[in-house]
Amino acid sequence: AAGVIQSPRHLIKEKRETATLKCYPIPRHDTVYWYQQGPGQDPQFLISFYEKMQSDKGSIPDRFSAQQFSDYHSELNMSSLELGDSALYFCASSLGRGYEQFFGPGTRLTVL
Amino acid sequence: RKEVEQDPGPFNVPEGATVAFNCTYSNSASQSFFWYRQDCRKEPKLLMSVYSSGNEDGRFTAQLNRASQYISLLIRDSKLSDSATYLCVVPRFGNTPLVFGKGTRLSVIA
Repeated sequence: AAGVIQSPRHLIKEKRETATLKCYPIPRHDTVYWYQQGPGQDPQFLISFYEKMQSDKGSIPDRFSAQQFSDYHSELNMSSLELGDSALYFCASSLGRGYEQFFGPGTRLTVL
Repeated sequence: RKEVEQDPGPFNVPEGATVAFNCTYSNSASQSFFWYRQDCRKEPKLLMSVYSSGNEDGRFTAQLNRASQYISLLIRDSKLSDSATYLCVVPRFGNTPLVFGKGTRLSVIA
């Protein structure tokens, strides 16, 4: 079965640079969620989109923005990167809000 | 009470053992509950969903106690492949967004 696709899988950036992470949800899923997981931490919810509109907002820094496109894929844009942004970034998708979320393999971001 | 609180780990059990994890939550309005397992540096994978009093899938049983606001996960006949971190997940408002517990690490030993 098709799963959530994330790209890139690994990304290395310098401080103050920008990064764009992409997420392709499971076909027919209309809701996308972004999570950040630091080393030894549990996943922290950042933001979600339902039918291309922002639906919930979590602990997403102002330096980050995200959107969901007409084909339901989503992009997380990160600017002025800081060392503390180094983490695993997971995207998850679901069929409608409030249903089971299925996670992608994650993007490992390292900020040097 | 924290939004989602889990038993501290790690749990080290021999193969074939039965192990139970507990999780308490603070939002009495939550309608759905989930257990995910996460292997080291991998994505969380949905293990079980709980919408009513409980759910059973093979060796895994999840039970919900709304009055006491806790969920449990029971694993019978533990396998080496069950070694992972088990995350209790509860929606913050109604059904979204999800709040993850800190996770409980399980190591099944031969």
